Amino acid sequence: EPEVTQTPSHQVTQMGQEVILRCVPISNHLYFYWYRQILGQKVEFLVSFYNNEISEKSEIFDDQFSVERPDGSNFTLKIRSTKLEDSAMYFCASSEIYYEQYFGPGTRLTVT
Amino acid sequence: GENVEQHPSTLSVQEGDSAVIKCTYSDSASNYFPWYKQELGKRPQLIIDIRSNVGEKKDQRIAVTLNKTAKHFSLHITETQPEDSAVYFCAASTLSGNTDKLIFGTGTRLQVFP
Repeated sequence: EPEVTQTPSHQVTQMGQEVILRCVPISNHLYFYWYRQILGQKVEFLVSFYNNEISEKSEIFDDQFSVERPDGSNFTLKIRSTKLEDSAMYFCASSEIYYEQYFGPGTRLTVT
Repeated sequence: GENVEQHPSTLSVQEGDSAVIKCTYSDSASNYFPWYKQELGKRPQLIIDIRSNVGEKKDQRIAVTLNKTAKHFSLHITETQPEDSAVYFCAASTLSGNTDKLIFGTGTRLQVFP
């Protein structure tokens, strides 16, 4: 069964550095999402993406964040200048139509 | 803003008993309600979902009910097994423009004791 994949599984970075988190959605899916989960807390919506553009973004998704689909398979989340509070698990999700979102295994981002 | 409340935060049951987790949502335009199971360190896994035009849906030992008037939905697990132990998240989704977004509840840690 196809699954969403994410790399790396764990990223450690220093405050102020740029990070790029990568995702490969399920191949026939058209809708892509990023969520984050701070340790022990609920999953929070960051951004949705469809037809090569952002559809919706949350208050968390400020100017430091950007998303891109650079080719036919990858979907990336970039954080330009990381802060300590960006430490979290970042999940990519995709869906064939809206609803029924399938999550990747996550990237644990640790900002020191 | 949109909010989903989930109760209880922890739930311990004996193997074979039933477990019920309840959620309420604030956005009356929400029309899709999935449930995710998350084992420690793993991805949230979609286990069942319900759309607003349906009041109840069942899949083997799990079922979900929806009361749109009360803005309330519940997950029911019957004949629980130790492998059901995990954190369960409810979510509510509203279609906005071309896509939707999931607003998650705070999670319920279910422990099933043998």
